[in-house]
Amino acid sequence: GAGVSQSPSNKVTEKGKDVELRCDPISGHTALYWYRQSLGQGLEFLIYFQGNSAPDKSGLPSDRFSAERTGGSVSTLTIQRTQQEDSAVYLCASSLSSGWGSGANVLTFGAGSRLTVL
Amino acid sequence: GIQVEQSPPDLILQEGANSTLRCNFSDSVNNLQWFHQNPWGQLINLFYIPSGTKQNGRLSATTVATERYSLLYISSSQTTDSGVYFCAVATGNQFYFGTGTSLTVIP
Repeated sequence: GAGVSQSPSNKVTEKGKDVELRCDPISGHTALYWYRQSLGQGLEFLIYFQGNSAPDKSGLPSDRFSAERTGGSVSTLTIQRTQQEDSAVYLCASSLSSGWGSGANVLTFGAGSRLTVL
Repeated sequence: GIQVEQSPPDLILQEGANSTLRCNFSDSVNNLQWFHQNPWGQLINLFYIPSGTKQNGRLSATTVATERYSLLYISSSQTTDSGVYFCAVATGNQFYFGTGTSLTVIP
């Protein structure tokens, strides 16, 4: 697509429910990132996918969080048994590659999914 | 991880004024980008600038990699420049973001 698409844009859920957030990166972009931004804060790294390589999951805050990327394109971030502290905007970004030191690794962000856990 | 500090944390400008935003980082990096997050939350990439100087209209950026800092210059500020400016650096698979500079431009 022309840009990074995220859905839903807004999600309100009850504590303890599971949620799925979707990210559709720019066509041809092999690198995909998930970040979390709490109100008024910076961006917290969650997970990184590069092509068919094993993802870098080092930023996932607990085992309630998981993500997958099917066919090297669309990614889904799943949060199980949501807690109120999970409330945040979840941002997805993609880039052409992860050629570090290369302009191919310019990040393009989606508009985010705002999650509110009641 | 790499520590990224941005200053000032908050900035209020009269329309037409110039400003300089600073990003300090704690380790060598091979990727540095500046982003603008508009009041609706959308992050827009302004510059990919691991070293050197670039200009794009009223914005320019300079990174001195050996001294571990980058500067973002905004000239003749406009109300549409309002928002939060983030610096992000990377040396591996992760980007590390600063906590941002919140800019308000008043008419």
